[in-house]
Amino acid sequence: EDQVTQSPEALRLQEGESSSLNCSYTVSGLRGLFWYRQDPGKGPEFLFTLYSAGEEKEKERLKATLTKKESFLHITAPKPEDSATYLCAVQPSGGYQKVTFGTGTKLQVIP
Amino acid sequence: EAGVTQFPSHSVIEKGQTVTLRCDPISGHDNLYWYRRVMGKEIKFLLHFVKESKQDESGMPNNRFLAERTGGTYSTLKVQPAELEDSGVYFCASSRTTDRGPNNEQFFGPGTRLTVL
Repeated sequence: EDQVTQSPEALRLQEGESSSLNCSYTVSGLRGLFWYRQDPGKGPEFLFTLYSAGEEKEKERLKATLTKKESFLHITAPKPEDSATYLCAVQPSGGYQKVTFGTGTKLQVIP
Repeated sequence: EAGVTQFPSHSVIEKGQTVTLRCDPISGHDNLYWYRRVMGKEIKFLLHFVKESKQDESGMPNNRFLAERTGGTYSTLKVQPAELEDSGVYFCASSRTTDRGPNNEQFFGPGTRLTVL
């Protein structure tokens, strides 16, 4: 069964203090690894899809990287508006669209 | 472009009652997904429609849950009869279909928070 483990569960950063969130995964062949952002009371908002080890994607202060066993979401010089829960999810190859999510990392950026 | 909408935003019902959740996907999105998040747990897949057909319903908990997608447009998820463990946030998502299959970018609705007392 596919598994996704995210760490830490919660992270508190000062504004401008860069850090990384981790997503470890086990999947029977990876079709795609996804990062989402979720604000309180809202649905997940798509950020990135990574398909193969070594791939990197960037969006503003966020950069996602992928290895064969884990993915990192690097946050450079975060701002308070980056505060949210960040979710990682994987989709296996050869199957349907059954995406497995992790429980997320709750990020708080303090001014 | 209007996003995915869900109705109601909240529902509080008693055990044994019936509840129907509705999802309107983004126009033109053939793929529609239902997910559920139970408190403290991860978001879990329930099922996937391609147009009006169920592509994968392996995540449906039991036969008290019935999902339909009339004419390949909006979808409903009915829980009958509801049990305490059905409480949680139900999310709907939709995506396009490309030449390579369903687009990986799924757009989520705001969710319906269901509380069963």
